Amino acid sequence: DQQVKQNSPSLSVQEGRISILNCDYTNSMFDYFLWYKKYPAEGPTFLISISSIKDKNEDGRFTVFLNKSAKHLSLHIVPSQPGDSAVYFCAAPLGRTGNQFYFGTGTSLTVIP
Amino acid sequence: ETGVTQSPTHLIKTRGQQVTLRCSSQSGHNTVSWYQQALGQGPQFIFQYYREEENGRGNFPPRFSGLQFPNYSSELNVNALELDDSALYLCASSSPPGQGASPLHFGNGTRLTVT
Repeated sequence: DQQVKQNSPSLSVQEGRISILNCDYTNSMFDYFLWYKKYPAEGPTFLISISSIKDKNEDGRFTVFLNKSAKHLSLHIVPSQPGDSAVYFCAAPLGRTGNQFYFGTGTSLTVIP
Repeated sequence: ETGVTQSPTHLIKTRGQQVTLRCSSQSGHNTVSWYQQALGQGPQFIFQYYREEENGRGNFPPRFSGLQFPNYSSELNVNALELDDSALYLCASSSPPGQGASPLHFGNGTRLTVT
């Protein structure tokens, strides 16, 4: 049962343009979401989060949008840089502990110089 | 602040064998979680340890077991290895459970291959 879904396995974007990575979820009780970035041979690193009481959170070039009615969130990267090439995972909490998570299957982003 | 370190980085085992993976948590973090990432998949929660006790478990059979030590380091043990256990095993440390949203700090993982 996939509670968090990333339906695009890969995405290619030109340097300087916007990258949009999407994530859908099934459980309307999720109260926050996180995005992680993973380079090859490294563990995932935390990128940005959003609480369900907000519809937008911004950190530099990274903005996450949350549409609760559609059970959809997206990560926007503007402008995209070659160093952003990585696999991006969205995640939602497994329970009430706050630190156990469901992860999506990931989207591999390639930023073309 | 030291990060999460895992050992070994790579491991090859034969079906039916047993394996132990090790993790040292980030300083100041007393909670350790283990995740399995199969090829082409996202990390899947195996279990979490807090105060040396299991605090939550995902959908994994009992042959997956763990330990946490007083210095917060942890081990993941897998018995009777199966070919499908081939994956990247990620350890993550975090703040204690129940303190709200708490991002995980991952190590670089152990790549286990079962032949």
